[in-house]
Amino acid sequence: EPEVTQTPSHQVTQMGQEVILRCVPISNHLYFYWYRQILGQKVEFLVSFYNNEISEKSEIFDDQFSVERPDGSNFTLKIRSTKLEDSAMYFCASSEREGKTNIQYFGAGTRLSVL
Amino acid sequence: DAKTTQPNSMESNEEEPVHLPCNHSTISGTDYIHWYRQLPSQGPEYVIHGLTSNVNNRMASLAIAEDRKSSTLILHRATLRDAAVYYCILRDNNAGNMLTFGGGTRLMVKP
Repeated sequence: EPEVTQTPSHQVTQMGQEVILRCVPISNHLYFYWYRQILGQKVEFLVSFYNNEISEKSEIFDDQFSVERPDGSNFTLKIRSTKLEDSAMYFCASSEREGKTNIQYFGAGTRLSVL
Repeated sequence: DAKTTQPNSMESNEEEPVHLPCNHSTISGTDYIHWYRQLPSQGPEYVIHGLTSNVNNRMASLAIAEDRKSSTLILHRATLRDAAVYYCILRDNNAGNMLTFGGGTRLMVKP
């Protein structure tokens, strides 16, 4: 069964460093998403991406964050200068279509630890 | 997305049915009801969705009240692998493509 894959599974970085989290969405999907989950808290939407553009973003997704689809298969989330509060699980998701019936398929996540 | 209310936690015995409730009294006529679950140390996983009629798939059944102000996710025979946090999420036209997760219900399954 096709799945969303994320690498690395765990990323440790120093505060102020840049990190790039990588995702390979399901191959025929067109809509891509990033969510995060701080330990013990809810899953929070960060951004959605379609046709090489951001289609929606939350208040969390500030200028420190960016997303890119550098080639036909990868979807990346970059945090320019990490802060301690960026420590969280980051989940990538993809869906075949948009709208209120879309089904999103999630990866297993990348645990980001900012020291 | 309109607001949903779910119990914080529930317990079940293995191989017994589980009924997970969700209240959504402010649901509008075109809101879809989606359920996702999150197994320990995993990303969320789609379970089922519906609009008005009850729905069945290989994972679960979704029973939707006639007035649509509540719904119930039914796991017909709980297994240890079903221990997870279950999220009931309403999707409307204004929410775009994002999923808005609440606290969900933590289901514990006892052997």
